Amino acid sequence: EAQVTQNPRYLITVTGKKLTVTCSQNMNHEYMSWYRQDPGLGLRQIYYSMNVEVTDKGDVPEGYKVSRKEKRNFPLILESPSPNQTSLYFCASSFRDGSSYEQYFGPGTRLTVT
Amino acid sequence: GENVEQHPSTLSVQEGDSAVIKCTYSDSASNYFPWYKQELGKGPQLIIDIRSNVGEKKDQRIAVTLNKTAKHFSLHITETQPEDSAVYFCAASEAGGTSYGKLTFGQGTILTVHP
Repeated sequence: EAQVTQNPRYLITVTGKKLTVTCSQNMNHEYMSWYRQDPGLGLRQIYYSMNVEVTDKGDVPEGYKVSRKEKRNFPLILESPSPNQTSLYFCASSFRDGSSYEQYFGPGTRLTVT
Repeated sequence: GENVEQHPSTLSVQEGDSAVIKCTYSDSASNYFPWYKQELGKGPQLIIDIRSNVGEKKDQRIAVTLNKTAKHFSLHITETQPEDSAVYFCAASEAGGTSYGKLTFGQGTILTVHP
């Protein structure tokens, strides 16, 4: 089954404790992206990657890091989480060859930072 | 950068009625406008999209219209059903350009269809 998976689905942590949210896709997509969803603000892009070893900042990159060492994986790293990073996070992937622009989203990771 | 405004933020209709959600965008370079539906506890899923060389697109009970001059596009759902209840997001992108894949989303509309 074609899908984007994220882990963990739920996470409660404390300020300053480094964490990683994993994202994996099995569709051989070149493009992957991370979004955060907050009430009234929609989905805002954090980072995106056009291919392996190619990443760029989105609209709200502060406090986050990413890496793309393999095509299928795109982890999101919070080196020192703060309460304002409490949010619902989505990973997404798509082709970038123009055949389709549809982005496939994972099920989301709800993060709470206390 | 691109800015997308979406209205209304909430919409309540009776089953069988039509629902319309409107979005405006700011960047004239945007040429791809998808609509995503997000059900409770799930990630957004594409329901329909339109490219700037088309003014209208229809898929069964849903349709999207685009006015490039006015920089706005709308989602129309006819004969609404309770299972249409969800959060709907519009988005804009310069697909195929150097910023390929960068979707800018609207704020979302919570649609409730009452039986």
